[in-house]
Amino acid sequence: EVQLVESGGGLVQPGGSLRLSCVASGFTFSSYAMSWVRQAPGKGLEWVSSISSSGASTYYADSVKGRLTISRDSSTNTLYLQMNSLRAEDTAEYYCAKGGIAVVPPDPWGQGTLVTVSS
Amino acid sequence: DIQMTQSPSTLSASVGDRVTITCRASQTISSWLAWYQQKPGKAPKLLIHKASSLESGVPSRFSGSGSGTEFTLTISSLQSDDFATYYCQQYSSYSQTFGQGTKVEIK
Repeated sequence: EVQLVESGGGLVQPGGSLRLSCVASGFTFSSYAMSWVRQAPGKGLEWVSSISSSGASTYYADSVKGRLTISRDSSTNTLYLQMNSLRAEDTAEYYCAKGGIAVVPPDPWGQGTLVTVSS
Repeated sequence: DIQMTQSPSTLSASVGDRVTITCRASQTISSWLAWYQQKPGKAPKLLIHKASSLESGVPSRFSGSGSGTEFTLTISSLQSDDFATYYCQQYSSYSQTFGQGTKVEIK
């Protein structure tokens, strides 16, 4: 069974940094692209970033380009999202998901980790 | 970026009703369209991919259709477990986008 467990969320001040992690199990992590999708409180879903299976290719939403960095470590089956220069509008539940690069929809998703950007 | 427009935003229906949700893309996406169901406090669950392919374990009362720019999700006979929010998502390009969601409420 595929399992994705996110961690690292919390309260951070505007301009601050945070690193999210997602530990994957139940599939060959190094063979699949991975993605991050977020959901602001009471709002809809927003794709944030995706990374290819090898890690060589990364993709970002315009809203996070230059501030958020996706990466992966196949030795520990872990996906990361480094978040810098955080803004109030980055407040959201962040989900990691298996897949999510062109022609493969993200599925399944983890349970999410909440990031709150506030002073 | 490709914009996805869902309608309606909210839908009130009764158990047993036939329900249809529409999703329009701002440009053609072939059949690269997925539908997700989300319940409060939970992660989204993939129901349908490639516009009409039902995911394993998803009840057959769910169906999807369409191609190009117009897509529909139909629930043939609404059950109590189906009251949730539904999202369409295009994944034809590396920059994926979601519709704004349709909340299916109890009438």
